Amino acid sequence: SYELTQPPSVSVSPGQTARITCSGDALPKKYAYWYQQKSGQAPVLVIYEDSKRPSGIPERFSGSSSGTMATLTISGAQVEDEADYYCHSTDSSGNHNSVFGGGTKLTVL
Amino acid sequence: QITLKESGPTLVKPTQTLTLTCTFSGFSLSTSGVGVGWIRQPPGKALEWLALIYWDDDKRYSPSLKSRLTITKDTSKNQVVLTMTNMDPVDTATYYCAHIIGYYCGGDCYSHWFDPWGQGTLVTVSS
Repeated sequence: SYELTQPPSVSVSPGQTARITCSGDALPKKYAYWYQQKSGQAPVLVIYEDSKRPSGIPERFSGSSSGTMATLTISGAQVEDEADYYCHSTDSSGNHNSVFGGGTKLTVL
Repeated sequence: QITLKESGPTLVKPTQTLTLTCTFSGFSLSTSGVGVGWIRQPPGKALEWLALIYWDDDKRYSPSLKSRLTITKDTSKNQVVLTMTNMDPVDTATYYCAHIIGYYCGGDCYSHWFDPWGQGTLVTVSS
């Protein structure tokens, strides 16, 4: 089955840039989406179609994709950005089945 | 404003069938491109996509769980129902439903994302 691979954890100091990666063989042809999940809360979409930001999401959140890797970048990370981040994409089966990455715990301190 | 809320039993016994209902407002499941999906998350673990249904009754299931899942919609009631058969303790998780926008973007390109999500409901499988 298709897998998306994320690093288990990323740690930055406040004001630094955090980069979270997501690798998958189908990413050259499939969009990546990113969700933020704070402790005890439901996930929230922060990036869709590789690099688009939904309304209400701060500009410090950005996304990019190149080859088999998609990247979520948080420029000037803030303490309130501490959360789990999940990438999401679809497989290449033709059924467009959704797949989530294993999640990355972002620590900002 | 789009809102979704999951409802169903908090405790089921092994081998039983789980039935969850997603009741939503702020959108119609008769609108082109609109769908509802189900995603679950075992305690302390990652998200796992389960199933989705679109306005035109197109249904998709996780390949690993397809034999156990059924998703249906009731457009008049603004509800989507997910059933999962033969429940096992490993199915203990928070189950979320989410609004979907999906569309074909040319060739093999298909785009869809989950936004927003319901608050989730914790289902425990235990005898």
